[in-house]
Amino acid sequence: QKEVEQNSGPLSVPEGAIASLNCTYSDRGSQSFFWYRQYSGKSPELIMSIYSNGDKEDGRFTAQLNKASQYVSLLIRDSQPSDSATYLCALKTSYDKVIFGPGTSLSVIP
Amino acid sequence: NAGVTQTPKFQVLKTGQSMTLQCAQDMNHNSMYWYRQDPGMGLRLIYYSASEGTTDKGEVPNGYNVSRLNKREFSLRLESAAPSQTSVYFCATRFFEGTYNEQFFGPGTRLTVL
Repeated sequence: QKEVEQNSGPLSVPEGAIASLNCTYSDRGSQSFFWYRQYSGKSPELIMSIYSNGDKEDGRFTAQLNKASQYVSLLIRDSQPSDSATYLCALKTSYDKVIFGPGTSLSVIP
Repeated sequence: NAGVTQTPKFQVLKTGQSMTLQCAQDMNHNSMYWYRQDPGMGLRLIYYSASEGTTDKGEVPNGYNVSRLNKREFSLRLESAAPSQTSVYFCATRFFEGTYNEQFFGPGTRLTVL
């Protein structure tokens, strides 16, 4: 089993809709969770981090964490064509190790 | 401030050749990382360094060596390149303060091994 799993997609949503991205992980000791966005040919950039159970909102983005279920998700409200990118789930395991999932490709259709 | 810089940006090698990918940061971060990214595979951790003088293996360390020369620089060496090492390589640093932490990535090195 991979340590971090995501649906590879592609996920297509119409403009203005809610995009829902999901991630599961295997290391119960993980404490810090991240969502990165990566445009084609570019480097990843952080859009959300979450450390405790529940929801965390930042503008159109909401991250949700459920440590008991080992599940973290990202909701993007009012999706825009500029949100079309690959979304990478990441987590910090023991010590200083940060690992990523395979990413979910999102396409927002105008 | 340049942030995280990587050299070279592109490289083509023949099987069996060696090379070193360079990474430097001016953000004074302690932690540095090397990842490779292949299509559909996300980022896979090769090696990381929590501080100057320490390095640890990640998920896919075979065929690579690293050197944390000082706080600013973290290099990745391929001793005998193989076609399976064709990939995009990203260097990253990590900033943390209290519970907050964030990684900052360099622009990547696109390596092709023929």
